[in-house]
Amino acid sequence: NAGVTQTPKFRVLKTGQSMTLLCAQDMNHEYMYWYRQDPGMGLRLIHYSVGEGTTAKGEVPDGYNVSRLKKQNFLLGLESAAPSQTSVYFCASSSFQGLHQPQHFGDGTRLSIL
Amino acid sequence: AQKITQTQPGMFVQEKEAVTLDCTYDTSDQSYGLFWYKQPSSGEMIFLIYQGSYDEQNATEGRYSLNFQKARKSANLVISASQLGDSAMYFCAMREAGGTGRRALTFGSGTRLQVQP
Repeated sequence: NAGVTQTPKFRVLKTGQSMTLLCAQDMNHEYMYWYRQDPGMGLRLIHYSVGEGTTAKGEVPDGYNVSRLKKQNFLLGLESAAPSQTSVYFCASSSFQGLHQPQHFGDGTRLSIL
Repeated sequence: AQKITQTQPGMFVQEKEAVTLDCTYDTSDQSYGLFWYKQPSSGEMIFLIYQGSYDEQNATEGRYSLNFQKARKSANLVISASQLGDSAMYFCAMREAGGTGRRALTFGSGTRLQVQP
C-alpha cells in the first residue's frame, strides 16, 4: 500500500530558485494538506484542498502556491525560495467522512535553502 | 491563544513503566476530535489514537489510552509498559468541525519521549 507518496525526499536549493514538491495519494481521499514542520513548533498548515480543482490558504501560506488538477495529486510550489523556507514539508490526506478520520501523512520532504 | 498546548518538551521513562504525555486544548466548537501522532527519528507521522468530543469512554488502542477530561479540556496520552521503540516525538492534534470546513489538524509543539533500559 503506497498511501501518500512525496517526492523528492531531500532537496537543497539556492535562494531565489524555484521548485515543486509533489504529493500523490492512492486512497481516493477528498481532502489534502501541506504542512511544514520547524523545530519546536509542531506542524503548521500551509495550504489545503477540499477537492479536485479547489485550494485554499492555511496558517502560513506566504511564499507558496499550490495546485490540485487531479484528485490524487497536490503540488506545492516555491516560486522564489528563501532561507526561511528551510523546513520539513509534509503532505497529508483524509476522507471527508467524519471528524474521526485520521490524516495519512507522507514521509516528508526535507528542504534546505542556502 | 494556543489551540493545543503540550507543556512537556521532553520526558524520560524507564522501560516497562507507564508514562503520561500531557495535552490541553482550546476550542469553542462542541464537535471536535483529538488525535495523537508518533514521529520516530526516521521522521514519518504515525497515527496512534483518536478521541471524539462526544465519546463518553476514553479511547484505547493496545498499549495506548487517552485520558479525556472534557471539562478540563485535556486529552493526555498514556503509554503502558513502555518499550525502547516508543522513544519518539509525540504530537497532540485537534480537528474542529466548525468554521471553514477544511478539517485540518492543529498540532501542539510535541513531547520528546525517551525510554531508558
